[in-house]
Amino acid sequence: DQQVKQNSPSLSVQEGRISILNCDYTNSMFDYFLWYKKYPAEGPTFLISISSIKDKNEDGRFTVFLNKSAKHLSLHIVPSQPGDSAVYFCAALFGNEKLTFGTGTRLTIIP
Amino acid sequence: DAGVTQSPTHLIKTRGQQVTLRCSPKSGHDTVSWYQQALGQGPQFIFQYYEEEERQRGNFPDRFSGHQFPNYSSELNVNALLLGDSALYLCASSRVGESNYGYTFGSGTRLTVV
Repeated sequence: DQQVKQNSPSLSVQEGRISILNCDYTNSMFDYFLWYKKYPAEGPTFLISISSIKDKNEDGRFTVFLNKSAKHLSLHIVPSQPGDSAVYFCAALFGNEKLTFGTGTRLTIIP
Repeated sequence: DAGVTQSPTHLIKTRGQQVTLRCSPKSGHDTVSWYQQALGQGPQFIFQYYEEEERQRGNFPDRFSGHQFPNYSSELNVNALLLGDSALYLCASSRVGESNYGYTFGSGTRLTVV
């Protein structure tokens, strides 16, 4: 039962362009959504979150959009930089308890 | 300010053995969660500890057990190891009620069962 899905295992984007990472979920009870970035041999690092009552949250180069009717969220990175190359996980939270993760998308920024 | 510290970083065990992994949470955090990340997958929730008690548990067998100490540090124990237990084990800490701001993860313990 995969409640959080990231259907693109990998994505390549030119440096300076926009990177868009997508995530779908099935459980309408989730009340927060979070994005994590993971480098090899390191733990996931929190990037940005959004409450289910919002449709957009922005932090510097990172913006997360939430479409509740479609049960879809996306992370936009503008402009993309070489240091953004990593695996990105979408995660969902219900009641300040466990995080439910997607399978991740490997983002490669091409110089 | 140290983040989440996990030990050891790597471990090789034989099938049937028992293993203990350790985690020290970020300063100021009181809640510790454990996740298992298999190759090519997202982290899967094992259990969460708060006030030295297991608050919630994921879909893992009783071979997986844990403990939280008064200083908020935590241990994950796995008995009767199977080959399928080979994974990266991640510890995450947070302050109760603030997990929507993002758990802080350690770098993990890579467990290999042979």
